[in-house]
Amino acid sequence: EPEVTQTPSHQVTQMGQEVILRCVPISNHLYFYWYRQILGQKVEFLVSFYNNEISEKSEIFDDQFSVERPDGSNFTLKIRSTKLEDSAMYFCASRRRGASPYNEQFFGPGTRLTVL
Amino acid sequence: GIQVEQSPPDLILQEGANSTLRCNFSDSVNNLQWFHQNPWGQLINLFYIPSGTKQNGRLSATTVATERYSLLYISSSQTTDSGVYFCAVESFFGNEKLTFGTGTRLTIIP
Repeated sequence: EPEVTQTPSHQVTQMGQEVILRCVPISNHLYFYWYRQILGQKVEFLVSFYNNEISEKSEIFDDQFSVERPDGSNFTLKIRSTKLEDSAMYFCASRRRGASPYNEQFFGPGTRLTVL
Repeated sequence: GIQVEQSPPDLILQEGANSTLRCNFSDSVNNLQWFHQNPWGQLINLFYIPSGTKQNGRLSATTVATERYSLLYISSSQTTDSGVYFCAVESFFGNEKLTFGTGTRLTIIP
C-alpha cells in the first residue's frame, strides 16, 4: 500500500541553523501539507500546497518557513534560522483530491526536530 | 475557525474493557478522521468518517454530522491500544486543512 515517507526521522540542530525536512507524498496525490506538534500538545496546521503554490498558511508559517516541490516527487519544508521554539514533530501529509471521498489526508511518520 | 473538543482527556482502563471516545465539532465538516498516536509519535490513520459508521476489527466509529459529533469505540482493549487518540476535521466552509482536537490519552493496564 502506498505511503507518505519522511526523512530524516530525527534531526538535531543548533539555534540559527537552516534545516530542510523532506517528504515523499503518495504518487498520485495532488495536495500536500505540513503540520507540526510541539511535545505534549495537539497537532497544528502549518501550510497547504497545491498546483505548485501555497494555498493556505497559518500564522505560525512566517518568513522563516518555506516549502518547495523541487522535482515532482519530493516536498520539502525549510526553516531558515531555527529557534528553540521550533523544536517539534513535523508531519507531512498528502491527499488525492479536494472533494469527498478523495479528501482523506495520509500522514507520514514525522520528523522530530530538536533545536539546541 | 472550527472548534474541535474531545472527551474525556484521559482514560485509564483494564485490559479487556470497552471504551468510547467522543469528538464534538462546531461547524459542518467535509472530512473527519480519527488517528492513534503511538509511543513513537507516529499518527496512525484509524478512520476516514465524515458521516456514517465504519468498523475495523475491534474498533468502530460513528459520525453524526447533523449533530456535529463523532464517537470512536474500542472493544476488548489491549495494552497496545494505549496512546493518544486524535479527532481531526476539515470545515465545510474553510480550506482543506485539518483542525485537530486536543486528544484523549488512553492507558490500558494489564
